[in-house]
Amino acid sequence: AQTVTQSQPEMSVQEAETVTLSCTYDTSESDYYLFWYKQPPSRQMILVIRQEAYKQQNATENRFSVNFQKAAKSFSLKISDSQLGDAAMYFCAYRTPYYGGSQGNLIFGKGTKLSVKP
Amino acid sequence: DTGVSQDPRHKITKRGQNVTFRCDPISEHNRLYWYRQTLGQGPEFLTYFQNEAQLEKSRLLSDRFSAERPKGSFSTLEIQRTEQGDSAMYLCASSHRGGSTNEKLFFGSGTQLSVL
Repeated sequence: AQTVTQSQPEMSVQEAETVTLSCTYDTSESDYYLFWYKQPPSRQMILVIRQEAYKQQNATENRFSVNFQKAAKSFSLKISDSQLGDAAMYFCAYRTPYYGGSQGNLIFGKGTKLSVKP
Repeated sequence: DTGVSQDPRHKITKRGQNVTFRCDPISEHNRLYWYRQTLGQGPEFLTYFQNEAQLEKSRLLSDRFSAERPKGSFSTLEIQRTEQGDSAMYLCASSHRGGSTNEKLFFGSGTQLSVL
């Protein structure tokens, strides 16, 4: 079974600085998707960034980028120029594609609580 | 269209009572998911629908849980004979299943259930 591990329960960063959140996963599949979701106090899960396993190039979305190491099964999130609004729970998630009988539900890690200091 | 809507936002009930939650997905989204999130954990998949068909159920979904999506639009999640262990946030998400596997889930703000 696939698992997702986030080893940092809490992280803190100074405003305008850079922070990296770690995520490792375990799977025997070669094709899959990885995600970072943000959950602010409003509770709504918001997609931050997505990575397809078959793509070697790391995904980037504005101040957010990932370091995807497929062989090491590592998927870290880097937040540059941190802003107060970045404070939230961040969840790493794994999903299989929709072929081969799998319906591709998301498997989440336990999350990392990010605090941003002014 | 303002996104995925869930009602109620909070629900407090006594052990043994039945509760029902509602989820209104984004219009024209044909897939709808239910997740459960307990304190200190990430969301866990419960079940999902494609249109009105319930295509997959997690082992977490005991016999006391039932979900429906009768017309392929809104969905309800009912918990019968609630137990304290059912206390959690219940999240709904929707997506549009097109021709590719590039699917994006949109989540609601959840229903927080407290069983006393």
